[in-house]
Amino acid sequence: AQRVTQPEKLLSVFKGAPVELKCNYSYSGSPELFWYVQYSRQRLQLLLRHISRESIKGFTADLNKGETSFHLKKPFAQEEDSAMYYCAPQREYSGAGSYQLTFGKGTKLSVIP
Amino acid sequence: DAGVIQSPRHEVTEMGQEVTLRCKPISGHDYLFWYRQTMMRGLELLIYFNNNVPIDDSGMPEDRFSAKMPNASFSTLKIQPSEPRDSAVYFCASSPTGADEQYFGPGTRLTVT
Repeated sequence: AQRVTQPEKLLSVFKGAPVELKCNYSYSGSPELFWYVQYSRQRLQLLLRHISRESIKGFTADLNKGETSFHLKKPFAQEEDSAMYYCAPQREYSGAGSYQLTFGKGTKLSVIP
Repeated sequence: DAGVIQSPRHEVTEMGQEVTLRCKPISGHDYLFWYRQTMMRGLELLIYFNNNVPIDDSGMPEDRFSAKMPNASFSTLKIQPSEPRDSAVYFCASSPTGADEQYFGPGTRLTVT
């Protein structure tokens, strides 16, 4: 079964401290990997995707195929990073046009001033 | 572009009543997704469409739930009859292709009493 796990429901860090939001997945094949973020009173939006290899708002995520993990990291947390973060593996199956997307249950990041 | 539009933003109804949620995707996006978000289960994919055709409805919880997409600019999610356990936030999202970033609407907060 396809599964994505975000082990921490809530993560609290002090401003300026490093942040790591964990994501482990169990997928056959090679999924595309996304991180989405939902700030308070805002829409869920894409933070970054593995294939683009970009750093967005100081966040990066490294795919570890051996551990099947895609942890989200930032060296110095800012108060504005407080939000819900969702890991979302996605893969194509059964031919073109059919996709399987699964969101993790999310981690609420709270950055303490 | 106003992005994905959902209506109503809030809906309060009594058990047994029919509820219809509406979504207008971003123009030109071929894929439309319906999600349900609860504290217990997180963000769940209910159904998605490609070019107005339902591709995967395996996430629809029961026969009480149905979704339609009569044209490229409009989709509905209907619950009939509604039950208190259907209380959740329902999100609609659209995407240019199934593998791209998904653009989320603001959500409809449904409360069934």
